[in-house]
Amino acid sequence: QQQVKQSPQSLIVQKGGISIINCAYENTAFDYFPWYQQFPGKGPALLIAIRPDVSEKKEGRFTISFNKSAKQFSLHIMDSQPGDSATYFCAAGDRGSTLGRLYFGRGTQLTVWP
Amino acid sequence: DAGITQSPRHKVTETGTPVTLRCHQTENHRYMYWYRQDPGHGLRLIHYSYGVKDTDKGEVSDGYSVSRSKTEDFLLTLESATSSQTSVYFCAISDVYSNQPQHFGDGTRLSIL
Repeated sequence: QQQVKQSPQSLIVQKGGISIINCAYENTAFDYFPWYQQFPGKGPALLIAIRPDVSEKKEGRFTISFNKSAKQFSLHIMDSQPGDSATYFCAAGDRGSTLGRLYFGRGTQLTVWP
Repeated sequence: DAGITQSPRHKVTETGTPVTLRCHQTENHRYMYWYRQDPGHGLRLIHYSYGVKDTDKGEVSDGYSVSRSKTEDFLLTLESATSSQTSVYFCAISDVYSNQPQHFGDGTRLSIL
């Protein structure tokens, strides 16, 4: 059973446009929601993360929106650039658990055309 | 970048042979994880460790074993490799008690012919 569902699987955006990736979860114990960015040949790297006590977190052009009641969260990339072309993974975890385990979505391959 | 080294970075081997992948960290983090990444499946947890000699299974542990005799090293072993285990394998580390996120190595690309 997939703990975190991510969509779309792939996304093509024009340079300067907004990229939006959505994720949904079922486990209400989850209280930590990171996004990872992965370039070809490299491991995933933490991009931005949010806790459920806030509805939005912004870091530069990257924003996480969080809807606790709907159990959904999304990544918005404003003014998308060709350098943002990568695979993005959402994840969820329970910080109260001593196992530190994260559950990942299946990833979104983003292509930004110049 | 977190000090995580995976070795080898690439390996080609034959079905039925044993394979061991190594993850070495210099961060002294207690938690270490092995994932496999396959197209359309994202990152799936194979095994994880929450201390020296303390390990547990993830969601795709069949055919894999792990060992952790030192804080800095976490080994993943395929006792008898199969073609379905062709994948990219990632190691991650975490310092759970300080609420640090998981940091990943750069992966091992394993091809089993």
